[in-house]
Amino acid sequence: DAMVIQNPRYQVTQFGKPVTLSCSQTLNHNVMYWYQQKSSQAPKLLFHYYDKDFNNEADTPDNFQSRRPNTSFCFLDIRSPGLGDAAMYLCATSRDSGSGDIQYFGAGTRLSVL
Amino acid sequence: EDQVTQSPEALRLQEGESSSLNCSYTVSGLRGLFWYRQDPGKGPEFLFTLYSAGEEKEKERLKATLTKKESFLHITAPKPEDSATYLCAVADTNKLIFGTGTLLAVQP
Repeated sequence: DAMVIQNPRYQVTQFGKPVTLSCSQTLNHNVMYWYQQKSSQAPKLLFHYYDKDFNNEADTPDNFQSRRPNTSFCFLDIRSPGLGDAAMYLCATSRDSGSGDIQYFGAGTRLSVL
Repeated sequence: EDQVTQSPEALRLQEGESSSLNCSYTVSGLRGLFWYRQDPGKGPEFLFTLYSAGEEKEKERLKATLTKKESFLHITAPKPEDSATYLCAVADTNKLIFGTGTLLAVQP
């Protein structure tokens, strides 16, 4: 059974049209992460939530925002997608955020920007 | 600056031909080294965590080892279903730093 679920699997949007990606988890983990992965590149951390505390990476563009309304759900909002934002977006969860806790990933959402 | 380098970038093996993937890292304080498998168009799937030099873990045809500077993922007698990208990551305080992966293709 899938433990980290991302919807949709594929998303097509137009240049500048806001888009929201969804992630839910059944693990009851404290931490939820959003990564961006472009073709043949390493996943790049955008931000993470420890419970309700939001932690943004220094180099994450302002165009990317996130919401975590409850323990189970987390959303990635891209306010004005550009062509360079086309990528796979990965959601992950971990029990804790320190001491090398294992991160469990969802299947990802492939975003295309036309 | 923390850094993870994986080699080779791509590896093609014949079925049954054993080999090793390398992950070298520099990190101020290692809190764990992780190996993930990623199939095309999917999210990374957790394989192993290693926490200290000398530690080894095995799962089916895979064996991961760790030294103070690098980790190896040994693949014994691989099968075509082992074809995937293998990602290495190190834990730094509260995040993972990934390498770019090794794309493994196992031909029957």
